[in-house]
Amino acid sequence: DVKVTQSSRYLVKRTGEKVFLECVQDMDHENMFWYRQDPGLGLRLIYFSYDVKMKEKGDIPEGYSVSREKKERFSLILESASTNQTSMYLCASTSSITGSEQYFGPGTRLTVT
Amino acid sequence: AQKITQTQPGMFVQEKEAVTLDCTYDTSDQSYGLFWYKQPSSGEMIFLIYQGSYDEQNATEGRYSLNFQKARKSANLVISASQLGDSAMYFCAIRSYNQGGKLIFGQGTELSVKP
Repeated sequence: DVKVTQSSRYLVKRTGEKVFLECVQDMDHENMFWYRQDPGLGLRLIYFSYDVKMKEKGDIPEGYSVSREKKERFSLILESASTNQTSMYLCASTSSITGSEQYFGPGTRLTVT
Repeated sequence: AQKITQTQPGMFVQEKEAVTLDCTYDTSDQSYGLFWYKQPSSGEMIFLIYQGSYDEQNATEGRYSLNFQKARKSANLVISASQLGDSAMYFCAIRSYNQGGKLIFGQGTELSVKP
């Protein structure tokens, strides 16, 4: 059974803090993704990675960076958190096989005050 | 660039009736996949159904079916015999196999099932 876990369900940080969101998957998936979800906007892709140490910008990468040192772990970093980064963050993973679904973690609701 | 459009922000349906959630897409790729996900109030994303661009038959998974009309670039989700537990947000998404498997999501449709 595929499992994608995220380090926190809820997180409260102050403006200017450096924030780390961790994601781990246990299915040996090549591809991993970070999305943010905001009401009325759906899920928007921040960054994705298709291999260890490889990363690609998504649609809204500004203010974020990522790290993938091991295949199972994909980290999202907010270098200096701002209030407009208050959102739900979802991590996902998938294999490269055609038709494979993305498996999502439970999400982290981040509030920046 | 790929795009998904869901034009129904909210929908109501009576329990036991069928409901169709609309999804149109735009892509210049020949090979792609279409997905529907359900997100209940608890927040987890639940995969429902998948349709490949070369699949000739509409996909079905239990009470879910995907009405795929390729020429119209339409991939509507049909839920038959609605249940109270179907109340949730529903997202349509497209995956291009040229772009590392990333999904592009629509804005979502909030479905409410009335008893």
